[in-house]
Parts: sequence; C-alpha cells; structure tokens
Amino acid sequence: NAGVMQNPRHLVRRRGQEARLRCSPMKGHSHVYWYRQLPEEGLKFMVYLQKENIIDESGMPKERFSAEFPKEGPSILRIQQVVRGDSAAYFCASSPDRRETQYFGPGTRLLVL
Amino acid sequence: DQQVKQNSPSLSVQEGRISILNCDYTNSMFDYFLWYKKYPAEGPTFLISISSIKDKNEDGRFTVFLNKSAKHLSLHIVPSQPGDSAVYFCAASANFGNEKLTFGTGTRLTIIP
Repeated sequence: NAGVMQNPRHLVRRRGQEARLRCSPMKGHSHVYWYRQLPEEGLKFMVYLQKENIIDESGMPKERFSAEFPKEGPSILRIQQVVRGDSAAYFCASSPDRRETQYFGPGTRLLVL
Repeated sequence: DQQVKQNSPSLSVQEGRISILNCDYTNSMFDYFLWYKKYPAEGPTFLISISSIKDKNEDGRFTVFLNKSAKHLSLHIVPSQPGDSAVYFCAASANFGNEKLTFGTGTRLTIIP
C-alpha cells in the first residue's frame, strides 16, 4: 500500500511564475490536508479538502493560493505569481476520515528565486 | 500566536537512556494530541496520540503523558536508540477531530551511541 505521494519533490520558480504542487492520497483516503513549513518553524495548516469540496481553508492566504481535490486525480495546491516568501516545504497529508490519523507525504520543497 | 510550544529546540540523550520531550499548549479547546517524528527531507511520521479523556497512552517504547490542568504533555522514549535521532513535533486539534492540526516548532533529538 503506497503512502502519500507528492510531486515534484523540488520545484524552483522565478518571482511571478506559477507553482503547482500535486498530492495523491493513500489508497482509500478521501480527506486531504495541506501544510506549509517555513525554515526553522513548525508546520502550519493551510487547507482541508474532501473529494470535490473545500472543508476548511482558514489557513490559506487570501490571495494567489488555491487548492482543489477533484473527483478523479490528485489534489493540487496552486500558487500564482510566486514571491520569495513562498519558499517553503509544502506537505500534504491524507486520512480515511476526519477523525483518523493524518499520514504525511514527503513534501515539495519550493524555492522562489 | 504560538498555541503549541516546544521550548527545547534540541535534546541529546545517551543510547539506552530515557528521552523526554515536552510540549505545552495554550488553547483549552484542544482535546486531541499527537506526536510526529521527522527525518530530514521526509514528511512527518505519526508516532502516538492521546485524547483528553486519558492521561497516558503507551505503544511499545513510546509513552505519551497528558496533564490537562497544566496544559502540558510529554513523550517518553525508553530505551532510546540511535534511529530515534530526528525532529519531534507535538500537534494538537480540537473537537476530537484530526483536521487542522496545530504544530509546535519541534525538538531535535540526538541519541549519542
């Protein structure tokens, strides 16, 4: 049973470009969570999605960031017009139910030049 | 506003001895607590959890203690092994759910052979 998959593992973008981060949850998991970790900090919650629905996006910046989890395919975290402050590790987690343990992927390290 | 605090950025313990990692929280709505372990360039790995209806949970070498009145929890690892060297994150959530985990900043544990 494969774990949570994230790709790419590393992503370099120039300021103003778009970044698209993908997350495939574990088999049987329909709940996906995105977290961001800035250097020397803990993980910060961004958004919680179920298939085709955003449940909680209270941690998402109001502008430039969006997330989706379509009926088919991976969850996508999209960052438009990236800035240097977006450089961070972005982790995706999944669970079979909201009350179950979240299992994390390896993360995508985004570097904005 | 750091609602989950891990005040020791690092800890070194001799192999075979007990490792004690501490975590404090300020939000009285938190009722579910988890510990994750993280190696460099990997995602967090779930270790153990505890709900607020308990004050202790044990799983092999890992035991978590919860003191609700002090808003404090601790993770005990005994005996400590070299493979335990990693960064340990304490996390908390409200409403007995697992969504929207709030993480501490982590403690880097080094086991000395």
